[in-house]
Amino acid sequence: DVKVTQSSRYLVKRTGEKVFLECVQDMDHENMFWYRQDPGLGLRLIYFSYDVKMKEKGDIPEGYSVSREKKERFSLILESASTNQTSMYLCASSFDRGYTEAFFGQGTRLTVV
Amino acid sequence: GIQVEQSPPDLILQEGANSTLRCNFSDSVNNLQWFHQNPWGQLINLFYIPSGTKQNGRLSATTVATERYSLLYISSSQTTDSGVYFCAASNTGNQFYFGTGTSLTVIP
Repeated sequence: DVKVTQSSRYLVKRTGEKVFLECVQDMDHENMFWYRQDPGLGLRLIYFSYDVKMKEKGDIPEGYSVSREKKERFSLILESASTNQTSMYLCASSFDRGYTEAFFGQGTRLTVV
Repeated sequence: GIQVEQSPPDLILQEGANSTLRCNFSDSVNNLQWFHQNPWGQLINLFYIPSGTKQNGRLSATTVATERYSLLYISSSQTTDSGVYFCAASNTGNQFYFGTGTSLTVIP
């Protein structure tokens, strides 16, 4: 079975902190994604990576950056956390562009106080 | 991007009842998936179904790509089926566009 693992299920951070959300997949997938989910707004793409060190901005990249130094790991970085970044963050991976199934991690509920 | 609309937004069923959830999408797709979000927030894969029909136990799904819709059927619903069901579509692989979900509550 494909496994996508996010490093934390719950996180509480202070405003202004630098926050790292980690995601690891074990199926040699090319593509990895970070989404955030908010009530009434659904799931929105923050960043997408299609290869090591390659990334593309999604719909809401402001305030975030990403890092993909190894194929299996995709990190989401909040450079200076703000309260409006309190949300559910979901990582996903898929084998290649468009034609294969995507799998999601268990999600990280981040609260910024 | 692709517009994805799901209906109904909310559904309450008695245990044992059947239901149909619908997903309409605005453009041609090469990837269509159905997910169930469990109470802890994880998206569980139900079907990868860009076209055709698939069945898995009490659940089945049909996608009619030429008419840009997909249906998820739940038969003999159980309380464990409760949660939010999402469909997601893609035609580039760069991202998946999600509907706003159908919130299903199954009461005993």
